[in-house]
Amino acid sequence: GAGVSQSPRYKVAKRGQDVALRCDPISGHVSLFWYQQALGQGPEFLTYFQNEAQLDKSGLPSDRFFAERPEGSVSTLKIQRTQQEDSAVYLCASSLAEGLASYNEQFFGPGTRLTVL
Amino acid sequence: AQSVTQLDSQVPVFEEAPVELRCNYSSSVSVYLFWYVQYPNQGLQLLLKYLSGSTLVESINGFEAEFNKSQTSFHLRKPSVHISDTAEYFCAVSEGTGGFKTIFGAGTRLFVKA
Repeated sequence: GAGVSQSPRYKVAKRGQDVALRCDPISGHVSLFWYQQALGQGPEFLTYFQNEAQLDKSGLPSDRFFAERPEGSVSTLKIQRTQQEDSAVYLCASSLAEGLASYNEQFFGPGTRLTVL
Repeated sequence: AQSVTQLDSQVPVFEEAPVELRCNYSSSVSVYLFWYVQYPNQGLQLLLKYLSGSTLVESINGFEAEFNKSQTSFHLRKPSVHISDTAEYFCAVSEGTGGFKTIFGAGTRLFVKA
């Protein structure tokens, strides 16, 4: 398919476990975003990549959250020592942004629903 | 800091009735404004956006939104809704001065009844 894909779609983790969430953006898209969406809320910005460079990680809630995009395509969001408050849907979005990212349409993946028990 | 307020969490409406989903934002700089829609069991997708120029923007499926700078609003309207418009609608804002963040509202669930 030509869209943004994310895996796994669902993840159940025990508190304290590490998890890794994968995002495959649309081929050729320069920009990649990660969002956290709690139940009943809108997506909240976590971090932004332009190619392999992480230009903004101000939304990551703690140092347990880490994201990478080493080759400028696939990205992984890792959460260490998961806590119950980490339970949310994690959304990935990409855009064909050259230069400034803020006005470009973002294409969203279906999300990964993380449940921490 | 930017923020987005969607004043209604749920809007029930009968089919073929008009609807308005309200969105207000706050920002100290110029902004770009978006409406995204999330249909049941699907990902978010762009409905329409305001970047500059005409303050009235339209989507291909009959929705329109008007940027009102003095009222800092970007309300979404449709004169006649269909059952298929049932979805969650998110208003979003990003900086017009080079920032990367997009700030989303909490969403409004539009429920169209037959």
